[in-house]
Amino acid sequence: GAGVSQSPSNKVTEKGKDVELRCDPISGHTALYWYRQSLGQGLEFLIYFQGNSAPDKSGLPSDRFSAERTGGSVSTLTIQRTQQEDSAVYLCASSLDRGPNEQYFGPGTRLTVT
Amino acid sequence: AQSVTQLGSHVSVSEGALVLLRCNYSSSVPPYLFWYVQYPNQGLQLLLKYTTGATLVKGINGFEAEFKKSETSFHLTKPSAHMSDAAEYFCAVTKAAGNKLTFGGGTRVLVKP
Repeated sequence: GAGVSQSPSNKVTEKGKDVELRCDPISGHTALYWYRQSLGQGLEFLIYFQGNSAPDKSGLPSDRFSAERTGGSVSTLTIQRTQQEDSAVYLCASSLDRGPNEQYFGPGTRLTVT
Repeated sequence: AQSVTQLGSHVSVSEGALVLLRCNYSSSVPPYLFWYVQYPNQGLQLLLKYTTGATLVKGINGFEAEFKKSETSFHLTKPSAHMSDAAEYFCAVTKAAGNKLTFGGGTRVLVKP
């Protein structure tokens, strides 16, 4: 079946602008994760949604970052007032709630802040 | 807190030679351990995982890894490297099902003909 999809694949924005990144998880997966991959910091956890529970936001680097998940499916990661250090690849993953935590990753969105 | 250390950010191997990628972890509870591979401009793909049971785990593309609790290690091996193995490899740990992954820094593998 279809895997995790993310859009856009690439995004170039000016410093100070807001951006929205979208993730469509695998159908039936109740858990959804956002990670950030950058040269300086490697792969970092950002936020985790599980069903109707309150999301785990412990990885968000600042209050400029937020995310929502509508209808238990599609998720949007929003970065307000972007800074150059936000430049990175943003990866989304989804998994079944039960059993071992095998996460399936999307291809990512490459964000460049100029 | 959990952490993962991958020794060597770059590894170069000859085609047909053994591939050995090292991963050590720290975790306050029994961990679930994973190896992911990332090809250029792609997302991460699961190679193999350890949850419970047999400590030698076999994955896709001829890779395997052994969980050694006494050494807190989960090294990845492949007996014979192929050109298509050139990629970046990430070791990751989580403490429970349905939880966030903590990744190592990654090891980029170059395969020489």
